[in-house]
Amino acid sequence: GQNIDQPTEMTATEGAIVQINCTYQTSGFNGLFWYQQHAGEAPTFLSYNVLDGLEEKGRFSSFLSRSKGYSYLLLKELQMKDSASYLCAVRGTGGSYIPTFGRGTSLIVHP
Amino acid sequence: DGGITQSPKYLFRKEGQNVTLSCEQNLNHDAMYWYRQDPGQGLRLIYYSQIVNDFQKGDIAEGYSVSREKKESFPLTVTSAQKNPTAFYLCASTRENTEAFFGQGTRLTVV
Repeated sequence: GQNIDQPTEMTATEGAIVQINCTYQTSGFNGLFWYQQHAGEAPTFLSYNVLDGLEEKGRFSSFLSRSKGYSYLLLKELQMKDSASYLCAVRGTGGSYIPTFGRGTSLIVHP
Repeated sequence: DGGITQSPKYLFRKEGQNVTLSCEQNLNHDAMYWYRQDPGQGLRLIYYSQIVNDFQKGDIAEGYSVSREKKESFPLTVTSAQKNPTAFYLCASTRENTEAFFGQGTRLTVV
């Protein structure tokens, strides 16, 4: 099985940088995803890591350490519209591509 | 444009009634999933299908049923056996080694 842990809520100031952590335990690993979800809407894909290291995509970066079962999502130059829930999801092995989701981190950006 | 479409966006169910949520995709994805999301919770897997005419139970399948007669379609029926069906339901699809694409969700309320 898989267990994914991330903080429930974080707050940050507009223009600042915030790091959202995700730790996981899994019997097999085939990639880690980050999604953004605004209230009442569907999750949208942000990033994908399958190898160790940092993936940068504009204001968003995601880091993975497979040996530590750890990832983080880094958001720079925060904007008010970044207030949302951020979901960490891990895909296992065994021939299926089912992502297992964490509970999500609710990020509140204030002026 | 390719995408995944859920309908209806809002659905009201009376006690003891079965209701069916529609999910259609034109992305040519083999795998499709149904998730349930409760307030402050992550996504929990109800059912998934990796190929036409085959589907598997997820973590919370009791009280739900699905079919996969066509590659494009994966409808979910919420039966009267589901005692607490009020939730936000999300359908998703993936191709091998890609991120999940989500529909816009169906909010089901028991009245």
